[in-house]
Amino acid sequence: KAGVTQTPRYLIKTRGQQVTLSCSPISGHRSVSWYQQTPGQGLQFLFEYFSETQRNKGNFPGRFSGRQFSNSRSEMNVSTLELGDSALYLCASSLAALANYGYTFGSGTRLTVV
Amino acid sequence: AQSVTQLGSHVSVSEGALVLLRCNYSSSVPPYLFWYVQYPNQGLQLLLKYTSAATLVKGINGFEAEFKKSETSFHLTKPSAHMSDAAEYFCAVSVPVTNAGKSTFGDGTTLTVKP
Repeated sequence: KAGVTQTPRYLIKTRGQQVTLSCSPISGHRSVSWYQQTPGQGLQFLFEYFSETQRNKGNFPGRFSGRQFSNSRSEMNVSTLELGDSALYLCASSLAALANYGYTFGSGTRLTVV
Repeated sequence: AQSVTQLGSHVSVSEGALVLLRCNYSSSVPPYLFWYVQYPNQGLQLLLKYTSAATLVKGINGFEAEFKKSETSFHLTKPSAHMSDAAEYFCAVSVPVTNAGKSTFGDGTTLTVKP
């Protein structure tokens, strides 16, 4: 079966712009989580959606937002980009709403802000 | 709040040698624990997980981990390293119910396998 698909794979944006990243989870997975990965901070939790509802949010500014659609696909948006937003953004899907299932990750979107 | 500490940011072993990657956790309630592997330019792949059943957990690619509550540890081992095991490994913890959908990850351990 198809894995978690993230688009685009690579993105270069200018400071002050906004960006939208997309994630299609594994078919049947209703939970989608987003993580930011940087060399300095490691993997940081952004937010998690289940059945179109945001259930959990990490400690990121309001410039970071997301949503989930009825088909479980998810998008995250970053407005007013800063240089420090350069990172690998990972989407992860899970079969259920429980914490014990573990994730299936996508390959990520590499965002570079210049 | 839960946390994870991975001891050693870099581990180097010879091919065929034992692999031991260390992970200690902190959690106020019984946790779920995971090991993931990340190859360059890829996402993370789940190796194994502990969810309060057997304390010795077997995963993919010959890896296993043992949950030791008294030591708050969940170390990852493999009896014989292969060149293809070279990657970055992450330990993660989740807490039931209240933080469903959120895992806290360690800083990662880069495993190098020498021929």
